[in-house]
Amino acid sequence: KAGVTQTPRYLIKTRGQQVTLSCSPISGHRSVSWYQQTPGQGLQFLFEYFSETQRNKGNFPGRFSGRQFSNSRSEMNVSTLELGDSALYLCASSPGNRPNTGELFFGEGSRLTVL
Amino acid sequence: AQKVTQAQTEISVVEKEDVTLDCVYETRDTTYYLFWYKQPPSGELVFLIRRNSFDEQNEISGRYSWNFQKSTSSFNFTITASQVVDSAVYFCALSEARNQGGKLIFGQGTELSVKP
Repeated sequence: KAGVTQTPRYLIKTRGQQVTLSCSPISGHRSVSWYQQTPGQGLQFLFEYFSETQRNKGNFPGRFSGRQFSNSRSEMNVSTLELGDSALYLCASSPGNRPNTGELFFGEGSRLTVL
Repeated sequence: AQKVTQAQTEISVVEKEDVTLDCVYETRDTTYYLFWYKQPPSGELVFLIRRNSFDEQNEISGRYSWNFQKSTSSFNFTITASQVVDSAVYFCALSEARNQGGKLIFGQGTELSVKP
């Protein structure tokens, strides 16, 4: 079974630009969650999508957005990039069915550097 | 409010030593799940174990064991006879059932270094 695939793996942007990251979940998984990992703040939850609907949301500004397609693939977008957005962005998938015990399967992440 | 605290930022041991990673959590929910994940240098978080709030049985899996105590809100992880391959960052995490599973609250992580 193929794992969670994230693209691109590495990217460099400049302040003010926007970026789109992609995540393909494990086949059959309908839930996709996004996390930001930085040395200072650690791992922080961004949002979760299930069946194309945002089901949970973390405490990030509106510059961070996401969506999920009918095939469960997900994208997240960050607009007007700031230096502090430099981070490893991790995507995780799970079946998403109830009861959902929360076991997540993570991708290797997209490392974003903002200059 | 939900919170996970891993007080140990870094631990360094010599191979074959036993090591315990501490995790303390806070939640108001009665139904929740606790996890340990391992993050090697490649970056991908690898699931190690899940416990639900109604199951306080300790678990052992090979060299790994977990001690869940609701009375102290702790979920500690012990590696017996550590090996160099155990070197990684370990995260404890909490998921509340009302969030339907996609949202994990992570601790800050403990970086374990096992030296030969």
